[in-house]
Amino acid sequence: DGGITQSPKYLFRKEGQNVTLSCEQNLNHDAMYWYRQDPGQGLRLIYYSQIVNDFQKGDIAEGYSVSREKKESFPLTVTSAQKNPTAFYLCASKTGFLDTQYFGPGTRLTVL
Amino acid sequence: GIQVEQSPPDLILQEGANSTLRCNFSDSVNNLQWFHQNPWGQLINLFYIPSGTKQNGRLSATTVATERYSLLYISSSQTTDSGVYFCAGYSGGYQKVTFGTGTKLQVIP
Repeated sequence: DGGITQSPKYLFRKEGQNVTLSCEQNLNHDAMYWYRQDPGQGLRLIYYSQIVNDFQKGDIAEGYSVSREKKESFPLTVTSAQKNPTAFYLCASKTGFLDTQYFGPGTRLTVL
Repeated sequence: GIQVEQSPPDLILQEGANSTLRCNFSDSVNNLQWFHQNPWGQLINLFYIPSGTKQNGRLSATTVATERYSLLYISSSQTTDSGVYFCAGYSGGYQKVTFGTGTKLQVIP
């Protein structure tokens, strides 16, 4: 089946540890996005990438890092510099300039 | 970056009622989408509508790009319509996307 997968669904980490969230798509989409959602809030853009080996900071990039070495993969690392990392993280992708964005199921990260 | 405001923030409807959700943009956007987030957090595409009007069953959307707003109409609402509705605008050459604050809809039987 074509789609976007995020793993794991739930993730628990100790404070001070880096953690990497996976996002994979087999839709052959060029663009990929990472968002953060806090309870009762909207989505805020962390990083986005239009092509392989290129990405841009979104509105809340501090404390996060990404890579885009392959078209189908856009992993997000939440570093220890992120002051309040507990949140729901959503990944999305789309084909090109004039196209719909499709979302993965999300990863709920809890830092203890 | 652009600012996106949605109204109303909360809406409670009796099943069968109609509603209109609004999305205002502070600046021009070259693409616009409406999404529904279900109680499990999954975002579902509703409309990709940079301008004009589209309809899909009981839902329709209209975007007036020159006046920087978009409307989502829900007719004959059902309990399964409950959730949060977001609009999102894309701007700039890198297609940076900005989401609105959302409208939380509850449809009661």
